[in-house]
Amino acid sequence: QKEVEQDPGPLSVPEGAIVSLNCTYSNSAFQYFMWYRQYSRKGPELLMYTYSSGNKEDGRFTAQVDKSSKYISLFIRDSQPSDSATYLCAMSSSVISSGSARQLTFGSGTQLTVLP
Amino acid sequence: EAGVTQSPTHLIKTRGQQATLRCSPISGHTSVYWYQQALGLGLQFLLWYDEGEERNRGNFPPRFSGRQFPNYSSELNVNALELEDSALYLCASSSRPDSEGYEQYFGPGTRLTVT
Repeated sequence: QKEVEQDPGPLSVPEGAIVSLNCTYSNSAFQYFMWYRQYSRKGPELLMYTYSSGNKEDGRFTAQVDKSSKYISLFIRDSQPSDSATYLCAMSSSVISSGSARQLTFGSGTQLTVLP
Repeated sequence: EAGVTQSPTHLIKTRGQQATLRCSPISGHTSVYWYQQALGLGLQFLLWYDEGEERNRGNFPPRFSGRQFPNYSSELNVNALELEDSALYLCASSSRPDSEGYEQYFGPGTRLTVT
């Protein structure tokens, strides 16, 4: 079993829809959670960063972390064709300057297409 | 503010050769991370450098190595290239963590093709 599981999709939605992307994880030490957007053949772009449990909102994007269920989500409101990309969740356990602390563990990515 | 930069954009090498990839972090960032994104394998952690020292390496053979220079830029070297080394190599950087952690910002990547 992978440490981080993410539904690969592909996910196709009409413009304006609310998109829900999810990841589950097994390592209870994870406490830093990120969502990245990656366009084809480009580097990942950091969208959202959340420390520990709770919600965080930034414009059309909302990130949720439920550590008790080991489940994180990214919601995209009023989705646009420009949101069409692969979305990657990532997480790490600590910020100390040694060991596997800052090693990001990624989900496999969900490919999203927003149709005009 | 300039982001993470990587060079070259593309690199084509023959099996058995050596490849050198370069990364410049965001100004003020002291940590550099290297990841490999191979088709079908997702993003896998390779190496982490902080303040000039290697802090951690992922599950990759010793022919993957690198270093970090005094200006915090970094170099990834891949020796004795194999066909399966063909991938997008991504560099990320972060600043010193604060009370709520840190964020890793990625560069555009170097696409390495081994023939």
